[in-house]
Amino acid sequence: GDSVTQMEGPVTLSEEAFLTINCTYTATGYPSLFWYVQYPGEGLQLLLKATKADDKGSNKGFEATYRKETTSFHLEKGSVQVSDSAVYFCALWGKAAGNKLTFGGGTRVLVKP
Amino acid sequence: DTGVSQDPRHKITKRGQNVTFRCDPISEHNRLYWYRQTLGQGPEFLTYFQNEAQLEKSRLLSDRFSAERPKGSFSTLEIQRTEQGDSAMYLCASSLAAGGNTGELFFGEGSRLTVL
Repeated sequence: GDSVTQMEGPVTLSEEAFLTINCTYTATGYPSLFWYVQYPGEGLQLLLKATKADDKGSNKGFEATYRKETTSFHLEKGSVQVSDSAVYFCALWGKAAGNKLTFGGGTRVLVKP
Repeated sequence: DTGVSQDPRHKITKRGQNVTFRCDPISEHNRLYWYRQTLGQGPEFLTYFQNEAQLEKSRLLSDRFSAERPKGSFSTLEIQRTEQGDSAMYLCASSLAAGGNTGELFFGEGSRLTVL
């Protein structure tokens, strides 16, 4: 079945550092890919998405490119802020998985001033 | 503008008791999802509804779990004879079943269950 694997955290960074969170997936066909974020005390919310190969999703300074050849969707941000401290989840929506999201295990990011 | 709301936010119960969680989705959304999240893990799919029809259930959803969405609006998730392994955050999400919005779920803040 469909699955998502992402790097384990926690990831601890200083403000203005570069952030990368790796995400790879296994799926039948061509899924849509997502990053969701969970800020402390809040519900999960969509950060960005890409629906086909080579698409780049972007939002709030974050970017991720759908790489079919490496089945990856790594999340990047060039200069993180303390307010980016959160748990980030990679997810896919694929035909085999039906009408639902399949999530990775999450990566906690802590940005220190 | 109201998002997805869940009630109660926290529930502590003794093993063997029944608990019920309620979810009110965004009003125009026709799909409603239940997920379970344990500490340090990603959300795991439990079940989903399109309008009032329950279209899919995960194998995680044992016969002690039942979900309903009687009028295609709010939903309830009941757990009977709770076990300590049921302790988790139960997440509700809603969405519009439209091609361009596929995968864009709106989540509530969750209902945390602790079974003693």
